[in-house]
Amino acid sequence: EAGVVQSPRYKIIEKKQPVAFWCNPISGHNTLYWYRQNLGQGPELLIRYENEEAVDDSQLPKDRFSAERLKGVDSTLKIQPAELGDSAVYLCASSSRDGGYEQYFGPGTRLTVT
Amino acid sequence: DAKTTQPPSMDCAEGRAANLPCNHSTISGNEYVYWYRQIHSQGPQYIIHGLKNNETNEMASLIITEDRKSSTLILPHATLRDTAVYYCIVRIKSGSARQLTFGSGTQLTVLP
Repeated sequence: EAGVVQSPRYKIIEKKQPVAFWCNPISGHNTLYWYRQNLGQGPELLIRYENEEAVDDSQLPKDRFSAERLKGVDSTLKIQPAELGDSAVYLCASSSRDGGYEQYFGPGTRLTVT
Repeated sequence: DAKTTQPPSMDCAEGRAANLPCNHSTISGNEYVYWYRQIHSQGPQYIIHGLKNNETNEMASLIITEDRKSSTLILPHATLRDTAVYYCIVRIKSGSARQLTFGSGTQLTVLP
């Protein structure tokens, strides 16, 4: 069974530029999460989807961050415009009720804003 | 979710058992103890979870004290590939797909 797929793995952009991250969850997982992990810290939730509905986006900086999960499968997280402080690893995870809600994480996208 | 306390770092000799402690003195009766680990440049990986009984799987054993205020993750025969940050997380399980609240974890270094 394929795991959570994320792309790109690495991205370097200049500040004020836009950037997008893509996630393909494990097949059949209806819950999808985006986390951000700053250097030396644990991941922090940005947004959680149940199918195509964003049910928890309280931690998402809505002035510059946006996310979508069309058709309840793949998801895209976008930052526009990027700031220096957005440099971090962006992790996608998925889970299912049948799987006991254990979350399975992708490898992450390491973003560097210069 | 209850807060957890873990030592920031630990060393373990290769082939020996690694015992990682976690304190969760404010845990509620319906909260489970979960362990994840994160190997460098990878996403976190689920290891094991339990409520009050000791649990064992192919990766590790989880020992939860009788009062449930602390637990220990045991890697019986640590290898160099077990070097990672280990996170202890307490959360409700049933009927919930809520976020995982990660702390700083314990950096385990397995030494040759």
